[in-house]
Amino acid sequence: GNSVTQMEGPVTLSEEAFLTINCTYTATGYPSLFWYVQYPGEGLQLLLKATKADDKGSNKGFEATYRKETTSFHLEKGSVQVSDSAVYFCALTSGTYKYIFGTGTRLKVLA
Amino acid sequence: ETGVTQSPTHLIKTRGQQVTLRCSSQSGHNTVSWYQQALGQGPQFIFQYYREEENGRGNFPPRFSGLQFPNYSSELNVNALELDDSALYLCASSLGPTTDTQYFGPGTRLTVL
Repeated sequence: GNSVTQMEGPVTLSEEAFLTINCTYTATGYPSLFWYVQYPGEGLQLLLKATKADDKGSNKGFEATYRKETTSFHLEKGSVQVSDSAVYFCALTSGTYKYIFGTGTRLKVLA
Repeated sequence: ETGVTQSPTHLIKTRGQQVTLRCSSQSGHNTVSWYQQALGQGPQFIFQYYREEENGRGNFPPRFSGLQFPNYSSELNVNALELDDSALYLCASSLGPTTDTQYFGPGTRLTVL
């Protein structure tokens, strides 16, 4: 079945450091891929998405490229801020009605 | 444009009780999906409602049930609560049942004692 695997957290970085959070997936067909962010005590917010191979999603300085050959959708940001501290979820949907989520990666950014 | 709203924010119940959680979908959205997020885990799909009918279901027992109303708002009902039902329950709405982008509400935190 479909699945999403994320790198284990927590990830702790200093402000202005480069961020990569790895995400790989298993899916039949051609899934759409997403990154959601969850701030403490809140629900999920859509961060970015990509719907076909080689698409790059981007938002608020974050970006991720849909790599079909490596079945990956890694999240990157060139310079993180303290306000980026949150839990990040990679997810996919593949022509059905539901999302499959990874287990989440907690990011902590230190001033 | 009003986003997805959920009520209540927090809820405490005891084992064996029943609970109803509510969700109002984003304006223009006719599809609502419910997810359970246990502490430290990713959300797990419970079911989806489209035009007042259940449109798909995840691996949850029948004591998890739902409704969707003509205005597309929705309820999640859980009977015979168990300790493991303690979780954040998230509602998401979308433009249609296979539209790929779902928009999430803030969630209801349920604690079962």
